[in-house]
Amino acid sequence: AQKVTQAQTEISVVEKEDVTLDCVYETRDTTYYLFWYKQPPSGELVFLIRRNSFDEQNEISGRYSWNFQKSTSSFNFTITASQVVDSAVYFCALKGGGANSKLTFGKGITLSVRP
Amino acid sequence: NAGVTQTPKFQVLKTGQSMTLQCAQDMNHEYMSWYRQDPGMGLRLIHYSVGAGITDQGEVPNGYNVSRSTTEDFPLRLLSAAPSQTSVYFCASSYIGIDQPQHFGDGTRLSIL
Repeated sequence: AQKVTQAQTEISVVEKEDVTLDCVYETRDTTYYLFWYKQPPSGELVFLIRRNSFDEQNEISGRYSWNFQKSTSSFNFTITASQVVDSAVYFCALKGGGANSKLTFGKGITLSVRP
Repeated sequence: NAGVTQTPKFQVLKTGQSMTLQCAQDMNHEYMSWYRQDPGMGLRLIHYSVGAGITDQGEVPNGYNVSRSTTEDFPLRLLSAAPSQTSVYFCASSYIGIDQPQHFGDGTRLSIL
């Protein structure tokens, strides 16, 4: 069975602070994919990034960066210089390598960025 | 480009009533799925389909039925609504392949009284 743990449930920061959202996963598959989704207060789910198990390169997209470490089974998400618009629920998700693999979500982290 | 369209956006039902949540996508995606989102629980998979005529159960299938007669549509049926089914329901679609990100609809907020 696969599992995604987002131990932080709520984080509150002041605008311009950096913040890291943690994600730890469990899977027996050697091939798998990790995802991050954002759910702003309006409720829709927005895809942010996908990372496969064979690519441990960190990725940066503007103020967002992701750190994938297979050794610790973690896929952490850092927002640099946070903004109020970053306030949302962030979900980490895992999809295994099997043909019928399903997408497993963590419970989400509620990020509040105060002005 | 409409993407994934869910209807209705809001619905209130009485216990025991039945209803169908509609989901349609116009991206020719083979894979479609239904999730429910409850506070503190993340998103849990209800049912999914890898193509027309093929459906399978997810993590929390009890009380729900699905069918996939066309590539575009994947309705979710509640046969006899229960208060425990009060939730926000999301439909998602993607191309087949484990690396494909899901495209989500805007959700249906369902309350069962």
